[in-house]
This record gives sequence, C-alpha cells and structure tokens, in this order.
Amino acid sequence: EAGVTQSPTHLIKTRGQQATLRCSPISGHTSVYWYQQALGLGLQFLLWYDEGEERNRGNFPPRFSGRQFPNYSSELNVNALELEDSALYLCASSRGQGPQQETQYFGPGTRLLVL
Amino acid sequence: AQSVSQHNHHVILSEAASLELGCNYSYGGTVNLFWYVQYPGQHLQLLLKYFSGDPLVKGIKGFEAEFIKSKFSFNLRKPSVQWSDTAEYFCAVKGGGATNKLIFGTGTLLAVQP
Repeated sequence: EAGVTQSPTHLIKTRGQQATLRCSPISGHTSVYWYQQALGLGLQFLLWYDEGEERNRGNFPPRFSGRQFPNYSSELNVNALELEDSALYLCASSRGQGPQQETQYFGPGTRLLVL
Repeated sequence: AQSVSQHNHHVILSEAASLELGCNYSYGGTVNLFWYVQYPGQHLQLLLKYFSGDPLVKGIKGFEAEFIKSKFSFNLRKPSVQWSDTAEYFCAVKGGGATNKLIFGTGTLLAVQP
C-alpha cells in the first residue's frame, strides 16, 4: 500500500510570492491534514479536510488556505509569503472520523524556504 | 487549551540500555494518544497508539507505552535500545470533540551509542 505522497520535496520562494503544496492521501483515506514544522516551534496543526470540506483550521492567518479535490488529494496554498513561513510542511491522512479511524499517517513533507 | 509536554529534549544512551521517555498531556476528557518516530532522513512514522482498553500498549520494534490516566501520562519504554533506535520521538494527543487535530510535544532526540 502506497503511503502519503507530497510534492514538491523542496520549494524556494521569495517574500510576497505564493506557494502551492500538494498531497495525495493513502488510498481509501478521506481525511487530509496539514501541519507546519518550523524550527523551534514544533509540529503545529494547520488545516483538516474531510470529504472535500474544510473541517477545522489551526491558529494561522487566512493567507494559509487549501482545498481537497474529489479524489481526496489536497493542496495547501500560502499567499504573501513571509520569511517565517520557512518550514517543513507535513501532510497526513486518515480513514475519516470515528473511533479507530482517526490514526494519521504522515507523508515525507515539503520543505519551503522563503528568501 | 490542550498541551503536551515531553520532559527530555535530548537523551543519549548506550546500546542495550533501557529507555523511558516521558510524556504528559493536559486535557480532562477522553483522549487518543500516540507516539511517532522520525528516523534520520525519513518521514514521521507511527510507533504506537492508545484509544481505549488495556493501558499498556505495544508498538513496533519492541516499544511499549503505558497510559496512566491519573497522572495524565503516556510514557514510552523499551527494555534494550539498539543503535538503529537513534531518532526523534514525538508524543501526540487528540482530544475529544470534532477537531481531529493532533497536539504534538516538542520531541525528544535519542542518540544511541554503539
């Protein structure tokens, strides 16, 4: 069974630009989660999508947004990039809601560098 | 607000030593608890999880963790570590409600010396 995949592996942008990160969940998983792993800040929850809808978002500004497509893959968009957005962005997927279905499996991440 | 504390940021052990990594969480309701591991150059992998039932859970590679509700703890243990256990270990909690988000601890970097 293929795991969660993310692209690109690395992304270099300059301040003010937009970044688009992509994630494909494990087959059969309907929920996708995005986390930011910034130096010194640990892993922080960004967004949760399930069945095409945003279900919850973390304490991040609105310039962090995303969507989930009918095939359950997802995109994370970061607008008006700032230097502090430099981080590893992790995507995770799970089967959905309900007991025992909520274990999240993580992808390798996209490392975003903002210059 | 929910939070997770991992007491040790860096741990250095010799091979065959016993390991215990501490994890405490703050949340009064029903929780799901996880330990994830990140080996050098690899992505975050699930080590073990607790949802309900037996508070002593066994995971992959000989790891186990014990959920002690009265102490809000979920410590990770391994009786005899190997060099290949060198990695960063993250404790995470998912509280009740509809958020589904994981709250992570800051991680413990374990270095096992051969």
